[in-house]
Amino acid sequence: GAGVSQSPRYKVAKRGQDVALRCDPISGHVSLFWYQQALGQGPEFLTYFQNEAQLDKSGLPSDRFFAERPEGSVSTLKIQRTQQEDSAVYLCASSPEPPAKNIQYFGAGTRLSVL
Amino acid sequence: AQKVTQAQTEISVVEKEDVTLDCVYETRDTTYYLFWYKQPPSGELVFLIRRNSFDEQNEISGRYSWNFQKSTSSFNFTITASQVVDSAVYFCALSEVGDDKIIFGKGTRLHILP
Repeated sequence: GAGVSQSPRYKVAKRGQDVALRCDPISGHVSLFWYQQALGQGPEFLTYFQNEAQLDKSGLPSDRFFAERPEGSVSTLKIQRTQQEDSAVYLCASSPEPPAKNIQYFGAGTRLSVL
Repeated sequence: AQKVTQAQTEISVVEKEDVTLDCVYETRDTTYYLFWYKQPPSGELVFLIRRNSFDEQNEISGRYSWNFQKSTSSFNFTITASQVVDSAVYFCALSEVGDDKIIFGKGTRLHILP
């Protein structure tokens, strides 16, 4: 498909489990972003990659959150020892080169429920 | 600090009515971008518009129009002759030049009643 693809769409985890969320960006898009969206709120920035380089991880809420994009394409967001407060929708977005550099195109998200 | 405020949490209108969604932003930068995104029940955020801070010209795209006023730091969105398919959550957002992340408001949930 032509859009940003995220998997799984839904994930249920027991508290303390590790989870891995995958994002497949639009082909050729250099920049990739992860956001967290709590129920009834707007998305909040987590981290940003340009190719394989993680340029900003200021939004990651704790050291239990880790993201990677080893080959500059697919990215994985990993959450270790999940807690109930991690329950949210995790959105991935990608953006092209300038001049449309900061128009971000979003996937449908992964809804994580931690029990 | 950057901030986007959408004071209207939820709006309901009857189909074919016009509706305006309000957005007020805060930034110290003189150069920035403003956005509107639509989030239907499927969950995917759909890009609607990007406007840079140097362009205060209003924009119209079909039934959608946007009013950008720097003097009041507002970037309002109007849907004319609303349709049921317009029902969604709409987010206003801000990005400062040189900072690639987007700051979103809390969204306005719009219900279009048949």
